[in-house]
Amino acid sequence: GNSVTQMEGPVTLSEEAFLTINCTYTATGYPSLFWYVQYPGEGLQLLLKATKADDKGSNKGFEATYRKETTSFHLEKGSVQVSDSAVYFCALSDQDAGGTSYGKLTFGQGTILTVHP
Amino acid sequence: DSGVTQTPKHLITATGQRVTLRCSPRSGDLSVYWYQQSLDQGLQFLIQYYNGEERAKGNILERFSAQQFPDLHSELNLSSLELGDSALYFCASSVDSRHYNEQFFGPGTRLTVL
Repeated sequence: GNSVTQMEGPVTLSEEAFLTINCTYTATGYPSLFWYVQYPGEGLQLLLKATKADDKGSNKGFEATYRKETTSFHLEKGSVQVSDSAVYFCALSDQDAGGTSYGKLTFGQGTILTVHP
Repeated sequence: DSGVTQTPKHLITATGQRVTLRCSPRSGDLSVYWYQQSLDQGLQFLIQYYNGEERAKGNILERFSAQQFPDLHSELNLSSLELGDSALYFCASSVDSRHYNEQFFGPGTRLTVL
């Protein structure tokens, strides 16, 4: 079956530090990969996505590249801010060779990021 | 604001009871997904409906059931509640389920079983 593994957290950084959150996956088909962010007391928001190998997703200074050879989708940001403090989830949605999506998301366990001024 | 609404925001009940969680998808979205977020199990997919029909099932207990109504809102029914059912329940919606499209999440219903 499909699975997503995220680096163990929590992660604590100072403002303007470089961020990496590792994510690896296993999937049976041709997955699309996502990073979602959950701010305290809120639902999940899509941060970025990549739908095929070598695609780079980017948003709000965050980036992640779909690496099929290493089955990875690591999240990076060059300079974090206090407002980036949240829980980050890596997820995948599997699909077959014809592009039909199975819809449901499989999530990693989440990584808590805390950024101090 | 994602456009997905969930009620109630919080629910406190006792073991053995039954509750109903409600979700209204974004306007135009035909597909609804339910997820459970708990400390020990993380975020898990429960069930998906598309235009009133069940499309996929995940790790949903037999004590749990769901449905999607003609107006596309969905309800998740949890019965014979146990302490371990305490969790945050999210609903998400998307335009379609047959091709990739973004899922928009509601704010969640926090269920506490005492």
